[in-house]
Amino acid sequence: GAVVSQHPSRVICKSGTSVKIECRSLDFQATTMFWYRQFPKQSLMLMATSNEGSKATYEQGVEKDKFLINHASLTLSTLTVTSAHPEDSSFYICSAPGSGASEKLFFGSGTQLSVL
Amino acid sequence: KQEVTQIPAALSVPEGENLVLNCSFTDSAIYNLQWFRQDPGKGLTSLLLIQSSQREQTSGRLNASLDKSSGRSTLYIAASQPGDSATYLCAVRTGSAGNKLTFGGGTRVLVKP
Repeated sequence: GAVVSQHPSRVICKSGTSVKIECRSLDFQATTMFWYRQFPKQSLMLMATSNEGSKATYEQGVEKDKFLINHASLTLSTLTVTSAHPEDSSFYICSAPGSGASEKLFFGSGTQLSVL
Repeated sequence: KQEVTQIPAALSVPEGENLVLNCSFTDSAIYNLQWFRQDPGKGLTSLLLIQSSQREQTSGRLNASLDKSSGRSTLYIAASQPGDSATYLCAVRTGSAGNKLTFGGGTRVLVKP
């Protein structure tokens, strides 16, 4: 099956710093990728849709300037949490739709962000 | 707005028992429904995908049914094993654009040896 690689798996940073999370489709091309956020014991909430070669589409309530998304190639999307604060601490997961007739979404392994 | 609910939120069973996980959604105009497994601190693994025109899908010990008209899906796991312990999430794809999924809150499953 399709593989989505996400790095880093865990980040601990000081308040005010920026953190970049990478999401790569390893054996397929993804013109679209999705970024989710998950708080402890809660479900996934879609933050934004990353579109290769164009601007990302953000869900209502998600700050565009806070969560910068870049989809520069067909295999890489990045999420940068700018000027991180403790309330940004969360589990971030990316996903990409598989190629061909399959409509399954394949997920990265997630990034646990802890802002001190 | 689509809302997805999973009941129960948590489930504990002895090894060997069958598991029944429920998922309900408010908007029946879905394209498909997908069941995922999530281990603690990890990403999601897709288990089964049911298209809106299908009634069920099976993979090994897993069987998922879909009743679109009533807005319900059920995931059955036969002869549960300790390795089945995880959180199970259902998600529905609604609307005509992209692959946006709406997730349920998940069911945390513990299978005791």
